[in-house]
Amino acid sequence: GAGVSQSPSNKVTEKGKDVELRCDPISGHTALYWYRQRLGQGLEFLIYFQGNSAPDKSGLPSDRFSAERTGESVSTLTIQRTQQEDSAVYLCASSFSVSGGTQYFGPGTRLTVL
Amino acid sequence: QKEVEQNSGPLSVPEGAIASLNCTYSDRGSQSFFWYRQYSGKSPELIMSIYSNGDKEDGRFTAQLNKASQYVSLLIRDSQPSDSATYLCAAPGGGTSYGKLTFGQGTILTVHP
Repeated sequence: GAGVSQSPSNKVTEKGKDVELRCDPISGHTALYWYRQRLGQGLEFLIYFQGNSAPDKSGLPSDRFSAERTGESVSTLTIQRTQQEDSAVYLCASSFSVSGGTQYFGPGTRLTVL
Repeated sequence: QKEVEQNSGPLSVPEGAIASLNCTYSDRGSQSFFWYRQYSGKSPELIMSIYSNGDKEDGRFTAQLNKASQYVSLLIRDSQPSDSATYLCAAPGGGTSYGKLTFGQGTILTVHP
């Protein structure tokens, strides 16, 4: 596709439910990143994938958060047992490579936990 | 200490003026820096990247990098109301965390007619 796409664009869920967020990177981009942005805050790194290497999970805030990526394509970010503090915009980005590649962002998924 | 800091509070400039946005970073090993623009409710879009000391110009935008002072700035000449947005400075992590971008908190710029 022309850019990074994410789905759903909005997700409202109840506390305690699990949610899955999806990201489709730009075709040919080997690196994929997930960030979180709380209202009025900067971007917070969560995880990145580079080709077949082990992902860098250093930004995941708790073991309720996990992410997978199939090859160099789609990634899903899963949040289990959602809490109200998980409410944020979850942004996905991709780049041609990790080493200095410009990151291009998708439109984000706005998650609201009631 | 935050790795990337943008200390400027909301910035308001008149149309046509120069807007100056500043960022400092703590990792002396950082080799590249990025400025992103984020309109309200939208995702960040890359404006400028800079890798070498000195100035880099692109249209009305100039990025300046001073590695000795660990300082990077963005100048917007002839500011337009359409430049009103939050500007985010970012730097990659070092070593095996190269892919991780650390962002500053952002500077809100308002250009008034």
